Amino acid sequence: RKEVEQDPGPFNVPEGATVAFNCTYSNSASQSFFWYRQDCRKEPKLLMSVYSSGNEDGRFTAQLNRASQYISLLIRDSKLSDSATYLCVVNMGTGGFKTIFGAGTRLFVKA
Amino acid sequence: NAGVTQTPKFRVLKTGQSMTLLCAQDMNHEYMYWYRQDPGMGLRLIHYSVGEGTTAKGEVPDGYNVSRLKKQNFLLGLESAAPSQTSVYFCASSTRGGTSVSYEQYFGPGTRLTVT
Repeated sequence: RKEVEQDPGPFNVPEGATVAFNCTYSNSASQSFFWYRQDCRKEPKLLMSVYSSGNEDGRFTAQLNRASQYISLLIRDSKLSDSATYLCVVNMGTGGFKTIFGAGTRLFVKA
Repeated sequence: NAGVTQTPKFRVLKTGQSMTLLCAQDMNHEYMYWYRQDPGMGLRLIHYSVGEGTTAKGEVPDGYNVSRLKKQNFLLGLESAAPSQTSVYFCASSTRGGTSVSYEQYFGPGTRLTVT
């Protein structure tokens, strides 16, 4: 079993749609969680951290379920510019060297 | 403030050739990393450094060496390139984790390497 698993997609949605991605992780000792965004042929960039209580940043909402060991990302009112690959990232310790990246979920938003 | 820069952006090598990838960051970050990204797989850590003069192996270190002689630079070397090392290589940096484990990694633009 992969340490971090994501549905690779692609998700094809129309503009204005709501789309949700899930990510599961295998190590219950995982301590911090993130969603990164990666545009085609570009570097990953932090989208948002995921906090235990859930958090929202504009149209984006992240949730963490420690009991079931999954995190989710909800995108409301999708824009064409949201088309990208979304990487689930799990950190099992300080320093970053125990950081595991999921393979990513591809999203295409169409007009 | 350039963030994280990588050179070169593209490179084609023949099997057995050697090369060095250079990463530089101007954010005074302690931690630096080298990853490779292959289709259908997540970023995989090759080597990392928690400070000047220190390096450690990551998940896939075989065939690579690294050096961090200066805090701002992290070099990745391929001594004898193999076709299996065809990949996109990303360098990243971050502040210390400390007691807060929530921190961001900043990535360079990547180096696309093809080994024929």
